[in-house]
Amino acid sequence: QVQLVQSGAEVKKPGASVKVSCKASGYTFSDFNIHWVRQAPGQGLEWMGRINPKTGGTNYAQKFRGRVNVTRDTSITTVFMELSSLRFDDTAVYYCARDRDAEFFVFWGQGTRVTVSS
Amino acid sequence: DIQMTQSPSSLSASIGDRVTLTCRASQAISNSLAWYQQLPGKAPKLLLSAVSRLESGVPSRFSGSGSGADYTLTISSLQPEDFAAYYCQQYFTSPRTFGQGTKLEIK
Repeated sequence: QVQLVQSGAEVKKPGASVKVSCKASGYTFSDFNIHWVRQAPGQGLEWMGRINPKTGGTNYAQKFRGRVNVTRDTSITTVFMELSSLRFDDTAVYYCARDRDAEFFVFWGQGTRVTVSS
Repeated sequence: DIQMTQSPSSLSASIGDRVTLTCRASQAISNSLAWYQQLPGKAPKLLLSAVSRLESGVPSRFSGSGSGADYTLTISSLQPEDFAAYYCQQYFTSPRTFGQGTKLEIK
């Protein structure tokens, strides 16, 4: 069965960077994009970007360009999302999600809570 | 970016009620719409894609309709496990964007 397993919770100071991992299993890793979606406390869902695991090609939401970097390691079927220059309002749960037909999000990771606090 | 607006933002209803949630896009999105359910503390779950295509395992009391820029999600007879937040998402263009959600609460 398809599984996306994310790394554990993080607490970071403003200005620092955080790197969250998403380990994929149960399907051919190179066949589907992996996206990152975040959810601030009590708020809705916000798409951040995605990676094509076959090519390594990425697309990012304008809001995060220059601060986010999504990479993958095909040898361990894992995608990484690094967010830099963290601010207090980056406090959120970060989800990875696998798409279908490059359109919507069928499988989700369990979420990684990132807290930015001084 | 396409803006997605959901209404109402919250809704109180009773077990057995029929409820309809609305999602409006800032432009026509050619039926490129998905709906998700999110239980507290959990990841979202895909319910429907292409407006009305039910995902495997999703109960038939969930249905979707609409066209152009206006779409709805209907739950025909609310069950206790349906009280959750619901989000629409367009995939007509990038970036994929979500509505702000409708929180469905027990009356």
